[in-house]
Amino acid sequence: QKEVEQDPGPLSVPEGAIVSLNCTYSNSAFQYFMWYRQYSRKGPELLMYTYSSGNKEDGRFTAQVDKSSKYISLFIRDSQPSDSATYLCAMSAMTSYDKVIFGPGTSLSVIP
Amino acid sequence: SAVISQKPSRDICQRGTSLTIQCQVDSQVTMMFWYRQQPGQSLTLIATANQGSEATYESGFVIDKFPISRPNLTFSTLTVSNMSPEDSSIYLCSAPLWGTDTQYFGPGTRLTVL
Repeated sequence: QKEVEQDPGPLSVPEGAIVSLNCTYSNSAFQYFMWYRQYSRKGPELLMYTYSSGNKEDGRFTAQVDKSSKYISLFIRDSQPSDSATYLCAMSAMTSYDKVIFGPGTSLSVIP
Repeated sequence: SAVISQKPSRDICQRGTSLTIQCQVDSQVTMMFWYRQQPGQSLTLIATANQGSEATYESGFVIDKFPISRPNLTFSTLTVSNMSPEDSSIYLCSAPLWGTDTQYFGPGTRLTVL
């Protein structure tokens, strides 16, 4: 079993839809949970960062962490064509930047 | 905001040669990381490079194949040695920037080995 698994996609949605991206993990020691967005031919950029369980909202993006189920989600409301990218979940036990394990990524296309 | 840059942005190399990738951060950072992203796959950590000490390599990566230098707090290099087509990947450096606890990435170096 991989440490971090992610819905493979690709995912294609119409503009304005609500998008749900999900990851599961096996290591109960993970405490730091991140979502990165990666556009084609670019490095990943940090979207959301959550410590431990709970929800965090930033504009159209909401990150949820359920440590009891070892499940994290990223919701995108009112999706835009500019949201078309690969979304990587990432997590760590130690800090938000050290020994970070990345999921395989979900490719999202938002169709105008 | 601080910027992480990499050189070269891409290269096509012959089997058996070596390529050195440079990573420059425009502020001082203690830790720098090197990742590999193989085609269609996610990021895999190669090593952690702290200034003033030997790089720490992850399982499956060795210093002879991926020597790393970290001469100061803003710069690091990763060399991909004796390359084979299996080394064709995007190589990314990253660092947590001072005053933050989040990791920022460079744009990556796209390497193709023929």
